[in-house]
Amino acid sequence: EPEVTQTPSHQVTQMGQEVILRCVPISNHLYFYWYRQILGQKVEFLVSFYNNEISEKSEIFDDQFSVERPDGSNFTLKIRSTKLEDSAMYFCASSGATSTDTQYFGPGTRLTVL
Amino acid sequence: DQQVKQNSPSLSVQEGRISILNCDYTNSMFDYFLWYKKYPAEGPTFLISISSIKDKNEDGRFTVFLNKSAKHLSLHIVPSQPGDSAVYFCAASAAYSGGGADGLTFGKGTHLIIQP
Repeated sequence: EPEVTQTPSHQVTQMGQEVILRCVPISNHLYFYWYRQILGQKVEFLVSFYNNEISEKSEIFDDQFSVERPDGSNFTLKIRSTKLEDSAMYFCASSGATSTDTQYFGPGTRLTVL
Repeated sequence: DQQVKQNSPSLSVQEGRISILNCDYTNSMFDYFLWYKKYPAEGPTFLISISSIKDKNEDGRFTVFLNKSAKHLSLHIVPSQPGDSAVYFCAASAAYSGGGADGLTFGKGTHLIIQP
């Protein structure tokens, strides 16, 4: 069964460093998403991406964040200058041909900022 | 501002009995609702969804009920099995009316524990 994959599973970085989190969405999906879950809190929407551009973003997704689909399979989230409060689980999700299709989530990347 | 609320942080149910998980929402623009299940160190796994034109959707042991006037939905699991022990998240979006790739708004989750 097709699934969303994410790498790395755990990323440790120093405050102020740039990180890139990678995702491979399900191959025939057209909509891509990033979410995060800070420890003990709920899953929060960051950004959605469709047709090679951002479709929607939350107030969390400020200028420190960017997303890219550099090739036909990968979808990345870049954090330019990490802060301690960026420590969280980051989940990638994808959905199919319409915006109402179910979003399927990857296993997540645990980001630890020291 | 909690637009999606799951007021029970945990729920303990005996194996074989019915599990009922509740969710309330405040945003009247929401028209699409989903339940996800999550194990530790894994991503949310889709369980079942319902659009606002329906009041019930069933898939095997899982049934979701939607009461639009009360802005309330519930997930019923019958019969409950040990493998159902997990955190269950309610999520909502304005997918049908939003017109774009709407992000999901999640509740805080309910930890369901199935006791043998």
